[in-house]
Amino acid sequence: DAKTTQPPSMDCAEGRAANLPCNHSTISGNEYVYWYRQIHSQGPQYIIHGLKNNETNEMASLIITEDRKSSTLILPHATLRDTAVYYCIVRVALAGTASKLTFGTGTRLQVTL
Amino acid sequence: GAVVSQHPSRVICKSGTSVKIECRSLDFQATTMFWYRQFPKQSLMLMATSNEGSKATYEQGVEKDKFLINHASLTLSTLTVTSAHPEDSSFYICSATRTSINEQFFGPGTRLTVL
Repeated sequence: DAKTTQPPSMDCAEGRAANLPCNHSTISGNEYVYWYRQIHSQGPQYIIHGLKNNETNEMASLIITEDRKSSTLILPHATLRDTAVYYCIVRVALAGTASKLTFGTGTRLQVTL
Repeated sequence: GAVVSQHPSRVICKSGTSVKIECRSLDFQATTMFWYRQFPKQSLMLMATSNEGSKATYEQGVEKDKFLINHASLTLSTLTVTSAHPEDSSFYICSATRTSINEQFFGPGTRLTVL
């Protein structure tokens, strides 16, 4: 799986948008970009994933650059409960198989009042 | 979303004893489950891949005789830490894969403290 690079930490004011970047310059054509987050002392929580088109769900939006070498996770209105470590992972996601996830160091997002 | 449980959520044991951690997929069948370990302020490290009805595949550096994995059914995998020592104290997290869509769903984790 391709390696990802994320800033170690970010701050965001409550109510503002949190934009978390991720570089994945060696991503392959069949690898998806996944985002998970881990709130302290809990298991990781799936947020969103995409291949090349931008994606949006009830939690967040994912913007993938046209060359797919980087992406940005957007939390449109961050709350204190969004304080967590956010992991960007690239992996192949073939239906009918089970591919492992390789976690990097992630970005520690601190949402403040 | 799919639900994965772990039991116990927290365990404290004496050095030299063995501890069993259960991982269950509650509303789907999981042919593959993964076990991770996380030390304080570090990321998750994959320990092994558990496939139903077959032997687990361990990552490099993980002792298979110390971390026994059994995946006897499509909804249950167990991790047994044998002869636990203080350095085995960690947060153990499992995930279960819904193979039809190749998505992993994580359990809440088990905090092991070995005295």
